[in-house]
Amino acid sequence: DVQLVESGGGLVQPGGSLRLSCAASGFTFKSFWMSWVRQAPGKGLEWVANIKQDGSEKYYVDSVRGRFTISRDNARNSLYLQMNSLSVEDTAIYYCARVLGAWITGRWFDPWGQGTLVTVSS
Amino acid sequence: NFMLAQPHSVSESPGKTVTISCTRNSGSIASNNVQWYQQRPGSAPTIVIFEDNQRPSGVPDRFSGSIDNSSNSASLTISGLKTEDEADYYCQSSEEFGGGTKLTVL
Repeated sequence: DVQLVESGGGLVQPGGSLRLSCAASGFTFKSFWMSWVRQAPGKGLEWVANIKQDGSEKYYVDSVRGRFTISRDNARNSLYLQMNSLSVEDTAIYYCARVLGAWITGRWFDPWGQGTLVTVSS
Repeated sequence: NFMLAQPHSVSESPGKTVTISCTRNSGSIASNNVQWYQQRPGSAPTIVIFEDNQRPSGVPDRFSGSIDNSSNSASLTISGLKTEDEADYYCQSSEEFGGGTKLTVL
């Protein structure tokens, strides 16, 4: 079974940092783009970041660029999200997801992990 | 960049058919594939339609997707509604998500 399991969420103060991890299994991790998508409490889905198979290309939503860093370790089948300078607006469930499809015609997210909750509060 | 607009909520009775729309505000809806996700309370999203109208294995054929160039929109249609279909539904194209539609089956 294809599976993604996130970890690393928790309570952090504004201005603090947190590193999320996502362990992948059941598929050839190094062959796929990967993403982080977040969902604020009671709100909709927001794409956060993408990373190419070899880590050579990374893309971010404007609101996190310069503060968050997506990375991966293909030897460990793991995806990461380093989050710095956190603000209350970053409070959300963070999901990792495999990216399918083609870059030009369209891509999608499948499957998703169960998510890890990040709460930014003083 | 573009945005995808969905109705906030829809409701329908069991056994009936419901359609949820997703309207793109700039650029052609056909420019990029449209996907639909189902999210039940307390669970992660799961995909129910990809590439405008393709169903992943395991998704019932009661779920169908389409795009309409004239209205620049995509639609998710669920026929033979069941109470288990009650969930939030999100459209997605490129890195954009619609705001989500809460489907109530009553």
